Amino acid sequence: KAGVTQTPRYLIKTRGQQVTLSCSPISGHRSVSWYQQTPGQGLQFLFEYFSETQRNKGNFPGRFSGRQFSNSRSEMNVSTLELGDSALYLCASSLDRGANTIYFGEGSWLTVV
Amino acid sequence: GESVGLHLPTLSVQEGDNSIINCAYSNSASDYFIWYKQESGKGPQFIIDIRSNMDKRQGQRVTVLLNKTVKHLSLQIAATQPGDSAVYFCAESSNYKLTFGKGTLLTVNP
Repeated sequence: KAGVTQTPRYLIKTRGQQVTLSCSPISGHRSVSWYQQTPGQGLQFLFEYFSETQRNKGNFPGRFSGRQFSNSRSEMNVSTLELGDSALYLCASSLDRGANTIYFGEGSWLTVV
Repeated sequence: GESVGLHLPTLSVQEGDNSIINCAYSNSASDYFIWYKQESGKGPQFIIDIRSNMDKRQGQRVTVLLNKTVKHLSLQIAATQPGDSAVYFCAESSNYKLTFGKGTLLTVNP
């Protein structure tokens, strides 16, 4: 059974650009969450999607957005990139909302220059 | 507000010894708690979880203890191996999201 798949694994963007990251959850998993990981702030919750709807959102500016498709795949977008957006962006999936076991992908490493 | 923190940022043990990683939490309303292991360049890997109505749960070589009185969580790794070297995070689940601690770096010396 394939795990959570994230693409691209590595990318470099310039300040002011926008970026889209993709996540394919484990087959059958319907809940997808996104987290940002930085050395200074650790792992921080971005948002959660279930049934194509954003159900929960962390304390991030509106430049961070996302969506979920009918097949549970999810994308997140960051517009007007800032240097501080450089981070590892992690996608996690679980069978359902509130499911005990949440599995993470390997992440997308974003560097903003 | 909610917060999850770790008492020790680094832990160095000898191969074969038992390791104990500690975590403090502040949200008494959390549903359950999870321990993750993250190796360099990889995403967090689920180790074990425990529901808030339990005190102890055992897995393969790992045991999680939950003390709700003092809001403390610990992960015990038996017979620590070099492959256990990683950063370990505790996380609490509440309102369908995880709040993570800062992490503890475990180094296993051969």
